[in-house]
Amino acid sequence: AQKVTQAQTEISVVEKEDVTLDCVYKTRDTTYYLFWYKQPPSGELVFLIRRNSFDEQNEISGRYSWNFQKSTSSFNFTITASQVVDSAVYFCALSGGAGNNRKLIWGLGTSLAVNP
Amino acid sequence: DTGVSQNPRHKITKRGQNVTFRCDPISEHNRLYWYRQTLGQGPEFLTYFQNEAQLEKSRLLSDRFSAERPKGSFSTLEIQRTEQGDSAMYLCASSPGPSAGHYEQYFGPGTRLTVT
Repeated sequence: AQKVTQAQTEISVVEKEDVTLDCVYKTRDTTYYLFWYKQPPSGELVFLIRRNSFDEQNEISGRYSWNFQKSTSSFNFTITASQVVDSAVYFCALSGGAGNNRKLIWGLGTSLAVNP
Repeated sequence: DTGVSQNPRHKITKRGQNVTFRCDPISEHNRLYWYRQTLGQGPEFLTYFQNEAQLEKSRLLSDRFSAERPKGSFSTLEIQRTEQGDSAMYLCASSPGPSAGHYEQYFGPGTRLTVT
């Protein structure tokens, strides 16, 4: 069965610190997709990034970067120079490959608090 | 592109009453998903539509729950004879689907249901 594990329930950092959110996944599919979403206090889930299983290139977008490693089934998310506005719950999610309805399987989320 | 909208945003109902939620997806997105999220948890998949066809229902979706997507546009989720355990945030998401090269889902603001 597919599963996503986010071992860190809560993280608290001081503004400008770097922080890494861990995500470990489990799937039998050879083709699959990984996602990160942000859920700020307002509650709406905001899509951040999608990664295909056949593309292991890491990605950087501004202060955000993602490290995908198939060998360890991990898809970690790093925020550099964190800001108070980064405070939110971050979810890692997984969906299957061809023939699948692509429903998302979610981790429990990591609550990030960035303090001034 | 106005985003996914959901109505109402909040619903308080007494146990045993019926409630109906509406989701308007991003126009031209043929895939529509319903999820449920309780406090401290990630979203849980409920059901999925491709155009007007409901292609998958979770075991979480008891016979008190029904969803429709007439004409492949907006969708409704109805809960009959509500129970306190139904209290949750009900999230709707839409996606253009893999044929359009997109796999990510875009979420609405959710409908928070409180059953008293």
